[in-house]
Amino acid sequence: AQSVSQHNHHVILSEAASLELGCNYSYGGTVNLFWYVQYPGQHLQLLLKYFSGDPLVKGIKGFEAEFIKSKFSFNLRKPSVQWSDTAEYFCAVRSSGSARQLTFGSGTQLTVLP
Amino acid sequence: DTAVSQTPKYLVTQMGNDKSIKCEQNLGHDTMYWYKQDSKKFLKIMFSYNNKELIINETVPNRFSPKSPDKAHLNLHINSLELGDSAVYFCASSQDGRNQPQHFGDGTRLSIL
Repeated sequence: AQSVSQHNHHVILSEAASLELGCNYSYGGTVNLFWYVQYPGQHLQLLLKYFSGDPLVKGIKGFEAEFIKSKFSFNLRKPSVQWSDTAEYFCAVRSSGSARQLTFGSGTQLTVLP
Repeated sequence: DTAVSQTPKYLVTQMGNDKSIKCEQNLGHDTMYWYKQDSKKFLKIMFSYNNKELIINETVPNRFSPKSPDKAHLNLHINSLELGDSAVYFCASSQDGRNQPQHFGDGTRLSIL
């Protein structure tokens, strides 16, 4: 069975600081990888996804993530965060053996100080 | 236009009651899901339906029963509510095919007194 680990539970940054949120998964086969964002009181929104091809994927709002297969990682990055990026960020993985089932990490709360 | 809509947004009720949460999607998707998000924000899938058929049924108590009258609706009925059922329940949908992301509803915050 697949699992997802997000080691940073809460990250606090000042505006304009650079961001990197870690995500590691455990599954030996082909995976699809996702980052979702949940703003306070709102539903989850897709930030970006990786299915195949270029391991560096760009998403909305200036976010990007890099898939490193050898490290089973899919870290989320943003060069300069804004106060409006304050939210909960979830990494998720879908394995080839479960075409529809997403497994989520425990989430990382990002707080950006103005 | 709301793509995935859930009602109600908030639900406060007493232990032992029976309640339902409704979900509708207007995206034409074939698959719908229910997730439970606990107080620590951990998201766990509960059920998934594809074209009205149950395809994923994780280990949840029998008190939870999903119902899909058509592929645009997936309702969640909960019998004999317990304190531990307090959570935010998210409905989601996706189109068939491997490279399709899931779209989430706004969530229903269920509080058991």
